[in-house]
Amino acid sequence: DTGVSQDPRHKITKRGQNVTFRCDPISEHNRLYWYRQTLGQGPEFLTYFQNEAQLEKSRLLSDRFSAERPKGSFSTLEIQRTEQGDSAMYLCASSLDHSTPQRKGSRTNYGYTFGSGTRLTVV
Amino acid sequence: AQSVTQLDSHVSVSEGTPVLLRCNYSSSYSPSLFWYVQHPNKGLQLLLKYTSAATLVKGINGFEAEFKKSETSFHLTKPSAHMSDAAEYFCVVSDLASGGSYIPTFGRGTSLIVHP
Repeated sequence: DTGVSQDPRHKITKRGQNVTFRCDPISEHNRLYWYRQTLGQGPEFLTYFQNEAQLEKSRLLSDRFSAERPKGSFSTLEIQRTEQGDSAMYLCASSLDHSTPQRKGSRTNYGYTFGSGTRLTVV
Repeated sequence: AQSVTQLDSHVSVSEGTPVLLRCNYSSSYSPSLFWYVQHPNKGLQLLLKYTSAATLVKGINGFEAEFKKSETSFHLTKPSAHMSDAAEYFCVVSDLASGGSYIPTFGRGTSLIVHP
């Protein structure tokens, strides 16, 4: 396993078009995250999955953004009707996380491994 | 709720001098804390992590960080800067957020500039 893979590396699209990005996490990782990073800013959380369940999606930027992880392995992030403001780097990360939210403080996290990202340019 | 503040947007040092990148966090529970580095046109790389074990954490490339709960800080240090350390550094906190989710939250980043 060579790490987290994202495809494509670069995407140029015309305003109004739909785009889809793919992320292949480290195979034994149970969690997968999507982030957006704009120039000069830290990555901004969008959504995450534990296995195939999308546990947090309220931070998706608008209803034009959606994500899936149908079999608990790879994930896709789709942006419909792209706008120029969507131009950014979209990052995917995965982690192996044994958490029991019912027991606060009972958790093992081994860190997050990031892919190289997909750079989206909307023209 | 959790948040992370990186106190300096830019830090400039001379090669061979110590590095200090400051990070303060707020967290309701026992957080996990991380430092990541991002070189130009490269992906994010984990430098080190704190997950409730030893408060002084050693990472790669000679970096280390100390978790100070009383000060809610997790500053990153290195005794002697190298030119190759020039990059963007991000402090990350991961804590039990509302709804029972652990969401890693990034700071805005600190750009480390190393002069010869």
